[in-house]
Amino acid sequence: AQKVTQAQTEISVVEKEDVTLDCVYETRDTTYYLFWYKQPPSGELVFLIRRNSFDEQNEISGRYSWNFQKSTSSFNFTITASQVVDSAVYFCALSVHVQGAQKLVFGQGTRLTINP
Amino acid sequence: DTEVTQTPKHLVMGMTNKKSLKCEQHMGHRAMYWYKQKAKKPPELMFVYSYEKLSINESVPSRFSPECPNSSLLNLHLHALQPEDSALYLCASSQTGPRVPDTQYFGPGTRLTVL
Repeated sequence: AQKVTQAQTEISVVEKEDVTLDCVYETRDTTYYLFWYKQPPSGELVFLIRRNSFDEQNEISGRYSWNFQKSTSSFNFTITASQVVDSAVYFCALSVHVQGAQKLVFGQGTRLTINP
Repeated sequence: DTEVTQTPKHLVMGMTNKKSLKCEQHMGHRAMYWYKQKAKKPPELMFVYSYEKLSINESVPSRFSPECPNSSLLNLHLHALQPEDSALYLCASSQTGPRVPDTQYFGPGTRLTVL
């Protein structure tokens, strides 16, 4: 099966706390790509990061960081010093090869609420 | 510039109406996508166009009819919809065709309500 599991349905923290969103994936492909998207209440899906399977280097972008571990099939996302504007639904996605094409398989999403 | 625009933002239609959703990108992307998203669910792929040709149809009912007039435009024609078709419809584009996993950039979506 090719699937993405985001076990945390909802997370609520107080502003300035650090928060980690978990993502576990299953794939039979040896080369694959993982993504994180943010969906604020306005509805638009905002691209955050793309990571390929042969690059296990962790990445940091400002307050955001990503921990990719092939050994545990996880691609977790951490927000440091969270802010109210970080409140959104976050989706982890896996690119899978279907019918000679690629499609995104999304996790169920994690609704993150940052309280002032 | 990673902008994908969609019109209208909101649409209310009756079950006998015919309407169209429009999507536009000017990033030179050659693949465009339609997704449907129900409340509290992830987006579900409906159609993929690659180089203006329909590449994937995820067994979508024929009351949804996609059209790609040129590489920058993508339409979704709606006819005889059901109330359960009410959802957020998202358009996306990526640089190359769907054979390589390029990043998909999404538009703001159209919130559709079918009465």
